[in-house]
Amino acid sequence: GIQVEQSPPDLILQEGANSTLRCNFSDSVNNLQWFHQNPWGQLINLFYIPSGTKQNGRLSATTVATERYSLLYISSSQTTDSGVYFCAVGTGTYKYIFGTGTRLKVLA
Amino acid sequence: GAGVSQSPRYKVTKRGQDVALRCDPISGHVSLYWYRQALGQGPEFLTYFNYEAQQDKSGLPNDRFSAERPEGSISTLTIQRTEQRDSAMYRCASSGGGGYTFGSGTRLTVV
Repeated sequence: GIQVEQSPPDLILQEGANSTLRCNFSDSVNNLQWFHQNPWGQLINLFYIPSGTKQNGRLSATTVATERYSLLYISSSQTTDSGVYFCAVGTGTYKYIFGTGTRLKVLA
Repeated sequence: GAGVSQSPRYKVTKRGQDVALRCDPISGHVSLYWYRQALGQGPEFLTYFNYEAQQDKSGLPNDRFSAERPEGSISTLTIQRTEQRDSAMYRCASSGGGGYTFGSGTRLTVV
């Protein structure tokens, strides 16, 4: 089946710093979503982005489907950005395969 | 409703008991999904409904697990004869196209 790799696995930032999270996948996909799992365990949708670029405030994402990767950019990080970031990809119309996540800690 | 609602939020049960986990999707979302997430890992697919039809149950670990969505809205995931290895976060999501919205999950602990 399709493999999803996320890097880095762990990241510690000082508040105000910028970061880039990467998601590589081993096969063509037609669905891709980024999620943030906050410290309370909620899984929050950030972007639905099977291709192209989107921005939402301090966050933006780019997916280059032909090269099988997606990037999540976090600018001017805040302590509330802490948690685990998951990339999830789908090759059909519904089922997602999740990556192992990037654990982010933002220090005040 | 405005979001995906799951209940209970936490469930502690004794080994061998049956449990039922409930999911109320976003109003109008025809697609509903169940995932299971072990500590420190990403969610893993269990089953998928399109309206009331269970289209894919390939992720259900064994025949102790079952799910239904009889009227195409609320869904129930049932685990019979629970075992300690069933302890996990159980997440429900719904979609109307354009990606998933997850509920807050049910944390199941089997003691």
